[in-house]
Amino acid sequence: DIQMTQSPSSLSASVGDRVTITCQASQDISNYLNWYQQKPGKAPKLLIYDASNLETGVPSRFSGSGSGTDFTFTISSLQPEDIATYFCQQYDNLITFGQGTRLEIK
Amino acid sequence: QLQLQESGPGLVKPSETLSLTCTVSGGSISRSSYFWAWIRQPPGRGLEWIGSVYYSGTTSYNPSLKSRVTISVDTPKDQFSLKLSSVSAADTAVYYCARGACSGGSCVSFLKPHWFDPWGQGTLVTVSS
Repeated sequence: DIQMTQSPSSLSASVGDRVTITCQASQDISNYLNWYQQKPGKAPKLLIYDASNLETGVPSRFSGSGSGTDFTFTISSLQPEDIATYFCQQYDNLITFGQGTRLEIK
Repeated sequence: QLQLQESGPGLVKPSETLSLTCTVSGGSISRSSYFWAWIRQPPGRGLEWIGSVYYSGTTSYNPSLKSRVTISVDTPKDQFSLKLSSVSAADTAVYYCARGACSGGSCVSFLKPHWFDPWGQGTLVTVSS
């Protein structure tokens, strides 16, 4: 199985900050990597697909990059409504998710 | 707007079979572009893909659960279902159903979905005697 390692597991940032989350795959997954946002008590929501494509309707402050084994998810200017847990997910070999990054407001 | 809603018992006894149904509204499950999937999340933990079904009935399962899982589709009712047998406390989780999409816009050439959107609200299933 392909293991997905997200870091950090949690982070605290201020409104307006640039926030970066990384996801590392245990083997090359090309660009077969997606990012989700899960607000407390809610279902996950797709934000980014195929590493860098913004899902329709998702604010442009969210972005993704990377290929191979190393991927980055960025919020360019943190907003209060971005408080959530963020997950990466690969689909190169079966389907597996990262363990999540909990984002809090400082 | 497509919506998915899980239904089924919230409490299942150990060694019994967990059964859930997902009802799709706002669209037809038989549209050939998508898979239909089950994903679970144990309390306070990460997400685990259980498996997926295509409208034709073709399935793909997580190997770690494959021996205990059956996912089926009922296209006239726009529903798909999950059965997980021989459950234990480790199967306690919020179970989500979701639509699975693929790169290029159609899943007809693929054996599994690439990403999931939208998701149902989720239903907590507790395994306990």
